[in-house]
Amino acid sequence: EAQVTQNPRYLITVTGKKLTVTCSQNMNHEYMSWYRQDPGLGLRQIYYSMNVEVTDKGDVPEGYKVSRKEKRNFPLILESPSPNQTSLYFCASRWEGGYTFGSGTRLTVV
Amino acid sequence: GENVEQHPSTLSVQEGDSAVIKCTYSDSASNYFPWYKQELGKRPQLIIDIRSNVGEKKDQRIAVTLNKTAKHFSLHITETQPEDSAVYFCAASKHNQGGKLIFGQGTELSVKP
Repeated sequence: EAQVTQNPRYLITVTGKKLTVTCSQNMNHEYMSWYRQDPGLGLRQIYYSMNVEVTDKGDVPEGYKVSRKEKRNFPLILESPSPNQTSLYFCASRWEGGYTFGSGTRLTVV
Repeated sequence: GENVEQHPSTLSVQEGDSAVIKCTYSDSASNYFPWYKQELGKRPQLIIDIRSNVGEKKDQRIAVTLNKTAKHFSLHITETQPEDSAVYFCAASKHNQGGKLIFGQGTELSVKP
């Protein structure tokens, strides 16, 4: 089954403790992206990747890092999480047509 | 930069009525326009899309229309049902393959039985 797999689904962490949210797709898509979703602000792009070893900032990249060492994986890294990064995060990949989204990760930073 | 405006932000209809959500885009080079439905606590799911070489597309109770001259596109849902209640997002892209989607702010649709 074609899908984008994100883990974990839920995460509660403390300020400053590094964390990684994993994302993997099995559709051989070149384009992958991370979004955060907050009430009233819609979906905002954090980072994207056009292909292996090619990443670039989206609209709200501050406080985040990504890597794309292989086509299928695109992890999101929060080196020092802060409470304003509490949000719902979605990974997505795309070739023809629209995005395929992962199930989402609800992150709470206390 | 590229922008997509979506209206209304909330919409309440009676079961069986029609619902219309409208979006405008700023970049005339945009050529791909998908619509997503997001149920509470779930991921956005693609429900219909349209490309710039087509003016209208239908899939059962949902349809999308595109006016390239005016740079706007709309989602039409007929014979609404309570299970249509969700947040709907429009999006636009300059790329048919890969590339960034620019999303509207979303419309929360409520269908009352």
